[in-house]
Amino acid sequence: AQSVAQPEDQVNVAEGNPLTVKCTYSVSGNPYLFWYVQYPNRGLQFLLKYITGDNLVKGSYGFEAEFNKSQTSFHLKKPSALVSDSALYFCAVVGYNFNKFYFGSGTKLNVKP
Amino acid sequence: DVKVTQSSRYLVKRTGEKVFLECVQDMDHENMFWYRQDPGLGLRLIYFSYDVKMKEKGDIPEGYSVSREKKERFSLILESASTNQTSMYLCASRPFSGGQQETQYFGPGTRLLVL
Repeated sequence: AQSVAQPEDQVNVAEGNPLTVKCTYSVSGNPYLFWYVQYPNRGLQFLLKYITGDNLVKGSYGFEAEFNKSQTSFHLKKPSALVSDSALYFCAVVGYNFNKFYFGSGTKLNVKP
Repeated sequence: DVKVTQSSRYLVKRTGEKVFLECVQDMDHENMFWYRQDPGLGLRLIYFSYDVKMKEKGDIPEGYSVSREKKERFSLILESASTNQTSMYLCASRPFSGGQQETQYFGPGTRLLVL
């Protein structure tokens, strides 16, 4: 069965500090993994994806994610958080039916000045 | 840039009303999706369509139906709205050609309140 878990409902970090938003997955076959961000009252915006190759994937707004096959994780990271990064973040995996995305429950990131 | 638009940002309806949520995409994508988003539950797939007049049930289709008469437009219909359908509804589209590598492109969402 395909699934994604985001173990933290909320992550709090001070501006300028590094941030990590966690995601673990379960999938049959090769994982295709995505991160999205949602600002208040907006739809989801694509941040980055892992398909194959380098385990460190770089995306929009200075975000990157590290794919770890042995730990079945795909954590989102940023070296230096901004207050404007405060938003809801979703991890997703594409299932064997490649039309179907499985989303995590979301993690609210709060970056305090 | 891909644009996915939804007909309303906010809607207030009464229990028992028939509700139509419209979604239009301008990139000739084959696949379109309807999700509902509730706090702590993430996004749950209601229905998706992979071609005109084609549809498949998602994880929570009960109480909903869909219509796709034209490629660019995908409508979600609440046959008889109930208070437990109060939620944020998100539409998305995705091209077929990229396979599993392709992202979905989301509309801004419709926040529906059923009284």
